[in-house]
Amino acid sequence: QSALTQPASVSGSPGQSITISCTGTSSDIGSYNLVSWYQQHPGKAPKLIIYEVSNRPSGVSNRFSASKSGSTASLTISGLQAEDEADYYCTSYTNSITFVFGGGTRLTVL
Amino acid sequence: EVLLVESGGGLVQPGGSLRLSCAASGFTFSDYWMHWVRQAPGKGLVWVSRIKYDGTITAYADSVKGRLTISRDNAKNTLYLQMNSLRVEDTAVYYCVRDWKTAFDPWGQGTPVTVSS
Repeated sequence: QSALTQPASVSGSPGQSITISCTGTSSDIGSYNLVSWYQQHPGKAPKLIIYEVSNRPSGVSNRFSASKSGSTASLTISGLQAEDEADYYCTSYTNSITFVFGGGTRLTVL
Repeated sequence: EVLLVESGGGLVQPGGSLRLSCAASGFTFSDYWMHWVRQAPGKGLVWVSRIKYDGTITAYADSVKGRLTISRDNAKNTLYLQMNSLRVEDTAVYYCVRDWKTAFDPWGQGTPVTVSS
């Protein structure tokens, strides 16, 4: 199972919005609404920020939103803040009854 | 508070074995699927394995199939990962994670495994 494709890095200024893409195939993202997103700060464990394509867990800021079209999922962070600087990972359930992660995207807040 | 605490990591030679444990608390462990996810130094997250709440179904990434075995003891609220025939490329931080709505939440703090001669 090949990893989902994410851009290696994105950047934005405080207050701006950025979008991170996550491209898979018809065997994973294209077949299931089971895409989730994670935020990981350096030296910390990842944290769930989006589940089932576009749902936010309780306590996650509404500045985080996400969607899916075909085999590509997207995470948008609006009103960028310094604390958003982190690595972001997407993942999807697959038709092999396994899971696959994206390679991760480093977000830099300028 | 939901808490997952991994232990058992360490330094092992190539070809060696290690057993990781994950102690769960703050939720009904026997109601949830559980996963192991790993992260090599400076690299991204990689899903390793999962197990059904009653232990009857397991699944593995191709890279570990036949070498790593996931199991659980619901009476002890503990998840395990038996790691055999370890390779240098298995070097990583191993995270224990609860399955929640087919997503991963929460995560343990991770336990580091280093495979080196």
